Amino acid sequence: SAVISQKPSRDICQRGTSLTIQCQVDSQVTMMFWYRQQPGQSLTLIATANQGSEATYESGFVIDKFPISRPNLTFSTLTVSNMSPEDSSIYLCSVDRAENTEAFFGQGTRLTVV
Amino acid sequence: GQNIDQPTEMTATEGAIVQINCTYQTSGFNGLFWYQQHAGEAPTFLSYNVLDGLEEKGRFSSFLSRSKGYSYLLLKELQMKDSASYLCAVKDSNYQLIWGAGTKLIIKP
Repeated sequence: SAVISQKPSRDICQRGTSLTIQCQVDSQVTMMFWYRQQPGQSLTLIATANQGSEATYESGFVIDKFPISRPNLTFSTLTVSNMSPEDSSIYLCSVDRAENTEAFFGQGTRLTVV
Repeated sequence: GQNIDQPTEMTATEGAIVQINCTYQTSGFNGLFWYQQHAGEAPTFLSYNVLDGLEEKGRFSSFLSRSKGYSYLLLKELQMKDSASYLCAVKDSNYQLIWGAGTKLIIKP
């Protein structure tokens, strides 16, 4: 298993500002994933955070809006930049230990932009 | 495109049995996962199927038919705490997880 500490757990932010979400894993993992989950909907992958290289973004998500850092194999951050109310959502980090194993999730960050 | 379908919402009675179905169309298949997600919380892993057949884990069982692109999650002896959303997810040929929209299960006394 993997234990992931994600913070903050929730925040209320003003539009136009930025928020950085942190995820710390209790052991080294190759890939970390960042998801967004809007109310009543399923998980949408934002990007895959690779250690030592730029993150790989999914269609509809760009680095300028969601910059990601991955300084080592146990830590990653996701920044939501220049926020608008449409960015209000739950953001989740996740890790996969191996290709045929389950994904583990941080506790999630509930973001409200006002 | 890749697609996973599951019912939006189901209702069942405490103590009963409920089956949540999931059908998928993905580019490749490297396993199917079921997760439970309580409101406001992160998903937690329930089961994993990569071969055809039934996997049983306590009150929960999961079935897979790869030829039919079909899985179900069976919950027995339902308890009120089982009220949650149940997410079906498939790993595609790139080992990327493709998620269904989730089934909200409502348990009534």
